Amino acid sequence: DAKTTQPNSMESNEEEPVHLPCNHSTISGTDYIHWYRQLPSQGPEYVIHGLTSNVNNRMASLAIAEDRKSSTLILHRATLRDAAVYYCILSSNFGNEKLTFGTGTRLTIIP
Amino acid sequence: DGGITQSPKYLFRKEGQNVTLSCEQNLNHDAMYWYRQDPGQGLRLIYYSQIVNDFQKGDIAEGYSVSREKKESFPLTVTSAQKNPTAFYLCASSINHNGGKGSYNEQFFGPGTRLTVL
Repeated sequence: DAKTTQPNSMESNEEEPVHLPCNHSTISGTDYIHWYRQLPSQGPEYVIHGLTSNVNNRMASLAIAEDRKSSTLILHRATLRDAAVYYCILSSNFGNEKLTFGTGTRLTIIP
Repeated sequence: DGGITQSPKYLFRKEGQNVTLSCEQNLNHDAMYWYRQDPGQGLRLIYYSQIVNDFQKGDIAEGYSVSREKKESFPLTVTSAQKNPTAFYLCASSINHNGGKGSYNEQFFGPGTRLTVL
């Protein structure tokens, strides 16, 4: 499985943008990039995914480097409810494959 | 409402006892998964099932067993052979999306069961 590398923790002020980085230098051409987040004492929830192009949805944006060896999850205006552990995960394009969750980035929002 | 339910939320057992954790989904998903999470750690895959009556070991299957007799249900039994069973257990199911350049897997998680072995 291709590996991802994320900082252990980050802090951001409330109502400011947050950029969460992820390195995946061994990504293959068919790997999707997924982001999930886990709020305290809950199961993870899907945030966003992408393959080659940048993606936007109601929760966040995903910026993917041109060489696909890194990506950045962007929360445009962080709120206290965004405090969570964020996981960057790669999966092949073959469908119901297992996902490998690392330790993720613990995001703290400062009021 | 569609979703994944896990019960109970908190479970206490004595050392040496087997215990079964429930996981039910009404999302009509083919694949289901069990993960274990220890404090401050990420999720580790115990077992997964891509179709009824079939399942595969994940990264830490020793001391656990599963069954998949129905599409909706994927119970996990923590046996007495599991050396350190106290943990947060998460069940998930997934749907396969056709992304135009291949398929990708979106997983939906239950609320988890916190097991404490005394």
